[in-house]
Amino acid sequence: TQLLEQSPQFLSIQEGENLTVYCNSSSVFSSLQWYRQEPGEGPVLLVTVVTGGEVKKLKRLTFQFGDARKDSSLHITAAQPGDTGLYLCAGADAGNNRKLIWGLGTSLAVNP
Amino acid sequence: EPEVTQTPSHQVTQMGQEVILRCVPISNHLYFYWYRQILGQKVEFLVSFYNNEISEKSEIFDDQFSVERPDGSNFTLKIRSTKLEDSAMYFCASRGPATGELFFGEGSRLTVL
Repeated sequence: TQLLEQSPQFLSIQEGENLTVYCNSSSVFSSLQWYRQEPGEGPVLLVTVVTGGEVKKLKRLTFQFGDARKDSSLHITAAQPGDTGLYLCAGADAGNNRKLIWGLGTSLAVNP
Repeated sequence: EPEVTQTPSHQVTQMGQEVILRCVPISNHLYFYWYRQILGQKVEFLVSFYNNEISEKSEIFDDQFSVERPDGSNFTLKIRSTKLEDSAMYFCASRGPATGELFFGEGSRLTVL
């Protein structure tokens, strides 16, 4: 059974702090996606990483895909209250690109 | 910007009743999905649909569940006889032809009493 583990599960920080969220697996993924979900709403895609070692930046968010395509990280610089939400990673099965394997998510609270 | 739309946003039903959740995927997308998320738990894959047939389904998607694309635009999930444990947010998603990226609707919250 493929699993994606995210850590930490919960994170509460002050505005302006930096943070990193991790997504780890023993499985290889053909691509990995990061989503942000707010309560009562569907996940919203932030980024897709495809190549091992790839780094993508989205304003204050930096996403990295591990060299072996088994893990990924999301780093937020100078967090703001608007960054509050559930951050989910989802890996596309290397053998079946139609199926996503989801992590449980990291619940982030940024306090003003 | 094109988006996936879902109706109803919230439905309350009695155990044993049939429920139909509706989705309008993004128009040029070819792959369609239903996921569910029980409160406080992870997003769970239910079923994927391509070329007017189910391409994959999970263990959750038993005989009580069915999907249909009746008219080329709507994509529906039917639960034949709801159980208490079917209470969850149900998300529809569609995927474009070029990438693996999924675009989700805002979800339908199902409450079974």
